[in-house]
Amino acid sequence: SQTIHQWPATLVQPVGSPLSLECTVEGTSNPNLYWYRQAAGRGLQLLFYSVGIGQISSEVPQNLSASRPQDRQFILSSKKLLLSDSGFYLCAWRGGTSNTGELFFGEGSRLTVL
Amino acid sequence: AQSVSQHNHHVILSEAASLELGCNYSYGGTVNLFWYVQYPGQHLQLLLKYFSGDPLVKGIKGFEAEFIKSKFSFNLRKPSVQWSDTAEYFCAVNDNYGQNFVFGPGTRLSVLP
Repeated sequence: SQTIHQWPATLVQPVGSPLSLECTVEGTSNPNLYWYRQAAGRGLQLLFYSVGIGQISSEVPQNLSASRPQDRQFILSSKKLLLSDSGFYLCAWRGGTSNTGELFFGEGSRLTVL
Repeated sequence: AQSVSQHNHHVILSEAASLELGCNYSYGGTVNLFWYVQYPGQHLQLLLKYFSGDPLVKGIKGFEAEFIKSKFSFNLRKPSVQWSDTAEYFCAVNDNYGQNFVFGPGTRLSVLP
């Protein structure tokens, strides 16, 4: 069966420091991968998605970037964190050949920027 | 651009009451529709989904939703809620030809025992 892992689960970082959140999927190949940020009362904001290695689509201009160095690995990064980057970050995947499948979510990474 | 609205920010019900959570989306083309649930301390889980066919779809734990194309709505219902239904509920829409999933702001449901 397919599983999705995110780490770290929680992270406290100072303003101006770099960020790297990692997400890996197991049990499937060529998934579509997503990064969302969840803010209270505002739902889930799509940050990036990827349909293949090296292919990244950015939905919202951010202080963040994403990379997909391997088929089942998706990384969210920042060179210099801002206070406004604090939040709950969710990684998700969907079957790559499907236009009707649902998203499967990881357990999330809570980032606090001080 | 697609958008999703959910009518209620916070709903409080007593056990055995009936539930209806509203969801409306803005997109004129073919869409796939979803309801997700997030129980306290847990990750997002799929409750039900609509792709085509019967507009009344049934999901897990006694939930159902009805797609009304003319109203651009996909409301979630349950005839009798339980305390364990306390959670946050998110409606989402996906363009049938794209990879973008757009989520609503969520509705927090509190069920009083």
